[in-house]
Amino acid sequence: DTAVSQTPKYLVTQMGNDKSIKCEQNLGHDTMYWYKQDSKKFLKIMFSYNNKELIINETVPNRFSPKSPDKAHLNLHINSLELGDSAVYFCASSPWSAGQDTQYFGPGTRLTVL
Amino acid sequence: QQQVKQSPQSLIVQKGGISIINCAYENTAFDYFPWYQQFPGKGPALLIAIRPDVSEKKEGRFTISFNKSAKQFSLHIMDSQPGDSATYFCAASQETSGSRLTFGEGTQLTVNP
Repeated sequence: DTAVSQTPKYLVTQMGNDKSIKCEQNLGHDTMYWYKQDSKKFLKIMFSYNNKELIINETVPNRFSPKSPDKAHLNLHINSLELGDSAVYFCASSPWSAGQDTQYFGPGTRLTVL
Repeated sequence: QQQVKQSPQSLIVQKGGISIINCAYENTAFDYFPWYQQFPGKGPALLIAIRPDVSEKKEGRFTISFNKSAKQFSLHIMDSQPGDSATYFCAASQETSGSRLTFGEGTQLTVNP
């Protein structure tokens, strides 16, 4: 059973397009995250939701909009894609936000903007 | 502002050797220090973690050494194996900031057979 799943795994698109990445976790966790990993493998948190409520919103262009329809899902929508958005995006989940618990990462979505 | 600095960027070790990766942090409020391991094409996975009330934690071949006064911590991999070849990330967080992890830049470890 996949704990944290993301779709699609690969996404190739043109500049200016709008795209979405979906994430689902079946671990029963309360908190979910989006991370961006750049070409140098640097991992940076973008957003975090706890029970559908936004709790971390890093300095990210407002072209990025997370949406959490329920606590098992956290989707990432990106408007007007730019070349610099090319990266691997990871979804993760953890039991709750107040503790310092293990974060479980999905397999990643490699986004390439042409 | 990079709050967790990791070195070296890459490391090559022979099978059976000891791999050592170092991290230094700035924020004295950090109170949780995990290490994540990432294989190519996969997401990071927790390897081992330490809190500052102890100076060392060992799990199998993996040991974290923690020096609170120096604001440094390191990962030691004993008897390194080719299967340990991966990218290793140190990270830090503080309880009052909830689940916000600040990652180091990563170390690409290659263990030659």
